[in-house]
Amino acid sequence: GAVVSQHPSRVICKSGTSVKIECRSLDFQATTMFWYRQFPKQSLMLMATSNEGSKATYEQGVEKDKFLINHASLTLSTLTVTSAHPEDSSFYICSARPGDFLYNEQFFGPGTRLTVL
Amino acid sequence: AQTVTQSQPEMSVQEAETVTLSCTYDTSESDYYLFWYKQPPSRQMILVIRQEAYKQQNATENRFSVNFQKAAKSFSLKISDSQLGDAAMYFCAYRFGGGADGLTFGKGTHLIIQP
Repeated sequence: GAVVSQHPSRVICKSGTSVKIECRSLDFQATTMFWYRQFPKQSLMLMATSNEGSKATYEQGVEKDKFLINHASLTLSTLTVTSAHPEDSSFYICSARPGDFLYNEQFFGPGTRLTVL
Repeated sequence: AQTVTQSQPEMSVQEAETVTLSCTYDTSESDYYLFWYKQPPSRQMILVIRQEAYKQQNATENRFSVNFQKAAKSFSLKISDSQLGDAAMYFCAYRFGGGADGLTFGKGTHLIIQP
């Protein structure tokens, strides 16, 4: 149990276009989902926290207008990178937290590699 | 703000030997959780072990154990009987106790297993 999927796993886009990444909890309802960014050979950095039905909370330094997050249901959160530029190229990882799990554990998706040309 | 520091960018150990990965953290909170995650080349994050700050007993999961020193804000991971499959990046992470917060990660330690 506690499986999180991400789609797509890899995406290449042209500079100036927008890209949507989906994060789904497959066998549980996620009250909270988190989006992380990982540059090559670096650590994961929390970008934002989203709760179902409410606006996302962004970490300091993360542009909310560039990284649009929608958590429309208890099993789906989306991250849209708007007007993507080469510096947005990175590995994006989501995690989902089931509200009723004993330890309020976070379960990670497999990640999405975004390359902006 | 909380910070997590991993001072060993890379560690190498012989297969079947024991290795310890270091982690220190800084927080003003008393209720928090600490984690070690493994990230193999697939980049899927895998939870290795967790420790609740209010528990004095060190967590253990099979070959993996931690040395949690709350006063020193130290949280090291010991891997016994190292196996080739243990080769990966290991990240130490902190989370405020409420559970609604995201994780703060250290920079990671690349663990190499020598056959």
